[in-house]
Amino acid sequence: EAQLVESGGGLVKPGGSLRLSCVDSGVTFNRAWMSWVRQAPGKGLEWIARIKSKIDGGTIEYAAPVKGRFTISRDDSENKVYLQMNSLKIEDTALYYCTSEINCGGGSCPGYWGQGTLVTVSS
Amino acid sequence: EILLTQSPGTLSLSPGERATLSCRASQSVSSSYVAWYQQKPGQAPRLLIYGASSRATGIPDRFSGSGSGTDFTLTISRLEPEDFAVYYCQQYTGSPFTFGPGTKVDIK
Repeated sequence: EAQLVESGGGLVKPGGSLRLSCVDSGVTFNRAWMSWVRQAPGKGLEWIARIKSKIDGGTIEYAAPVKGRFTISRDDSENKVYLQMNSLKIEDTALYYCTSEINCGGGSCPGYWGQGTLVTVSS
Repeated sequence: EILLTQSPGTLSLSPGERATLSCRASQSVSSSYVAWYQQKPGQAPRLLIYGASSRATGIPDRFSGSGSGTDFTLTISRLEPEDFAVYYCQQYTGSPFTFGPGTKVDIK
């Protein structure tokens, strides 16, 4: 079972950068598909990025609002997934959740969630 | 992009009552790849239902899901005090893996 802990959030000015990290203490991280989901204050959930396992091709996908600005990556030797966030905008302010996907009836969906790390973009 | 709408926005019920939450997709969700999540204040979401109708590990059987195509439903047969929360549906048939806006179930 995955246990996820995010870090790296904080206050950053518009146009700045941050790198979020998520460590998974589960034993099968190298086979896990990992995603980032964010939640703006008082708002709903927004999927933003996913990276498949290397054994499944390592495919990366992004939501349109972050494509070209955010980069998801993984380091299987350290059981970590990262989210490099560049050119940050005020509307990127949110709690960022790291998720580990599970087999959801043939597809893959977020089965395990961290507690989130808060990113605040403000001048 | 598949857009999801959820109704009602807020559902006010008493413990012991039945809750019926709706999730409608802008186009057919293939293989019924719809999941439901519960989120309580200050907590991360928790997976309840996947594949439209399969309960995740450890989820009580008072939670059930149904539907296909564009219309999906989450039913809580008898509300327990701990069930008052926000519920989100998500489609995972294709990127972007969109969430609905949520339904808040609060105490009447």
